[in-house]
Amino acid sequence: SQQGEEDPQALSIQEGENATMNCSYKTSINNLQWYRQNSGRGLVHLILIRSNEREKHSGRLRVTLDTSKKSSSLLITASRAADTASYFCATALTGANNLFFGTGTRLTVIP
Amino acid sequence: DTGVSQDPRHKITKRGQNVTFRCDPISEHNRLYWYRQTLGQGPEFLTYFQNEAQLEKSRLLSDRFSAERPKGSFSTLEIQRTEQGDSAMYLCASSLDIESRTLHFGNGTRLTVT
Repeated sequence: SQQGEEDPQALSIQEGENATMNCSYKTSINNLQWYRQNSGRGLVHLILIRSNEREKHSGRLRVTLDTSKKSSSLLITASRAADTASYFCATALTGANNLFFGTGTRLTVIP
Repeated sequence: DTGVSQDPRHKITKRGQNVTFRCDPISEHNRLYWYRQTLGQGPEFLTYFQNEAQLEKSRLLSDRFSAERPKGSFSTLEIQRTEQGDSAMYLCASSLDIESRTLHFGNGTRLTVT
């Protein structure tokens, strides 16, 4: 079973708007990561936030983590058509070797 | 290109046939993962290698599935007696950093079983 659940499942916005995606998970984590996947391609790592961090920025990306609520959010500011993709959160559990991926949010940015 | 490469990109096979996929990880990465992804879902973990040792296998990996990583370099994933339910994208990823477990993915092999 998947560790994380993203919300919403699909999001459609106009170019220039901000996009926010949320991820909830079930157990204690070592870190949480966000990945992007273009149609028919592999996943690309975007950003990592550790369990002792609350917020992190990378370019137009802002990630928050609330370990008390077991949730994270990914904000993409000033979206571009090229941001159209599926976005997945992935959790690294303490003592586990692999990452557990959520179900993903499909983002469409309309030019 | 020094990324993770997978071969073939697409495979169409008839039910009951055996198929084998290959993954070449980033050369300095000693950790290699196989995931399976079906349409509209996130990747699901199948198995993990550290160097040539297969250290973890998911319950998803039935006895028809076998993976190897001879000499700790490339890896192969074989599916015997394929079933229609095996149709999926098979993703390989490699990693260097055990603490963060940041994964570098290949573009996958899309398997269609008819």
